[in-house]
Amino acid sequence: DIQMTQSPSSLYASVGDRVTITCRASQGISNSLAWYQQKPGKAPKLLLYATSRLESGVPSRFSGSGSGTDYTLTISSLQPEDFATYYCQQYYSTLLTFGGGTKVEIK
Amino acid sequence: QVQLVESGGGVVQPGRSLRLSCAASGFTFSSYGMHWVRQAPGKGLEWVAVIWYDGSNKYYADSVKGRFTISRDNSKNTLYLQMNSLRAEDTAVYYCARTMVRGVIFNAFDIWGQGTMVTVSS
Repeated sequence: DIQMTQSPSSLYASVGDRVTITCRASQGISNSLAWYQQKPGKAPKLLLYATSRLESGVPSRFSGSGSGTDYTLTISSLQPEDFATYYCQQYYSTLLTFGGGTKVEIK
Repeated sequence: QVQLVESGGGVVQPGRSLRLSCAASGFTFSSYGMHWVRQAPGKGLEWVAVIWYDGSNKYYADSVKGRFTISRDNSKNTLYLQMNSLRAEDTAVYYCARTMVRGVIFNAFDIWGQGTMVTVSS
């Protein structure tokens, strides 16, 4: 199985901050990476797919980059509605895997 | 609108069985690969199983292989997860999710259900 290691597991930030979350795969995944946002008691919501493609309706302050084994989600200016937990997911292999999650909390 | 609605969760004793359903609407269900994903209380997301759009192929996470069976009825626009020999560690919210690209099985999940809670406890 491909292991996905997300960091940090949590972070504190203020409205307007630039936030970066990283995800490292145990082997190359050829940009087959998605990012999800989850709020308490809700289903995950797709933000980005294919590393950097923004899902319809997702604000442009969210962006993704990376290649090979290392990938990044960036929120350019954190908004109040962005406080949530974020997960990466690889879909390169037939056994899909998620990262452990990053909880973004209010400083 | 495009929607997935899970049902069938509940409290079940260890070793017993449970079947979850996921009713799809608003899209051509038979054209999409479908997945089950679970989330234990306070924990992260765990992919469980996938089924091809026509039901011809299925893959499972090692943690459920041999105990869980994914299936679908395209005439009823419904996805299922038969869970046998349940264990305490299967306690989780179970979500069904759609692969975002028609005909492509391994891709991001663009539509998720609201989830159904399964509690395995004596």
